[in-house]
Amino acid sequence: AQSVTQLDSQVPVFEEAPVELRCNYSSSVSVYLFWYVQYPNQGLQLLLKYLSGSTLVESINGFEAEFNKSQTSFHLRKPSVHISDTAEYFCAVSRGGSNYKLTFGKGTLLTVNP
Amino acid sequence: GAGVSQSPSNKVTEKGKDVELRCDPISGHTALYWYRQRLGQGLEFLIYFQGNSAPDKSGLPSDRFSAERTGESVSTLTIQRTQQEDSAVYLCASSLGLAGAREQYFGPGTRLTVT
Repeated sequence: AQSVTQLDSQVPVFEEAPVELRCNYSSSVSVYLFWYVQYPNQGLQLLLKYLSGSTLVESINGFEAEFNKSQTSFHLRKPSVHISDTAEYFCAVSRGGSNYKLTFGKGTLLTVNP
Repeated sequence: GAGVSQSPSNKVTEKGKDVELRCDPISGHTALYWYRQRLGQGLEFLIYFQGNSAPDKSGLPSDRFSAERTGESVSTLTIQRTQQEDSAVYLCASSLGLAGAREQYFGPGTRLTVT
């Protein structure tokens, strides 16, 4: 069985500062990795995903994540955050094969302060 | 096109009552998932439907929980004899059910409060 650990439950930062949200996973098989974002009073949205190929993946709003197989990590980064990035971020893993269910971490609340 | 829809958006029920939650997936999505999000927790997988295959029920917490799906359309999650610990947001998601398109699209959720 796979599991996901998000090491920080809350990350407060100032606007325009860089941020890293950490995610580690454990799995005995190959995995696919996702970051979902939940803005205040909104549903979950896919932010970015790693399925195969380049280990560095990017979102349209400036976030990026790097799949590191040796460290079993998929940390999310942004070089300069905006107040509008305030949200809860969930890391999730799906194992290989034909069962696509996701295992989620407990989430990291990113709060961007002016 | 329309996203995943869920109803009701909020449900308050008394302990011991049965509740039924509904999910309408995105048209053409063969895979459908139910998750539960309790306060301060991540999402817990409950059940997964994929086409005509037998559903993966491995996440259902007890036999009070059951779900059905008609073909590749609507799904209902039923909780019998509700308990206070069942209070949570129940999220439905759907996906194309393809290896190369694993991303799931989530509905807005049903907030269940058991009093």
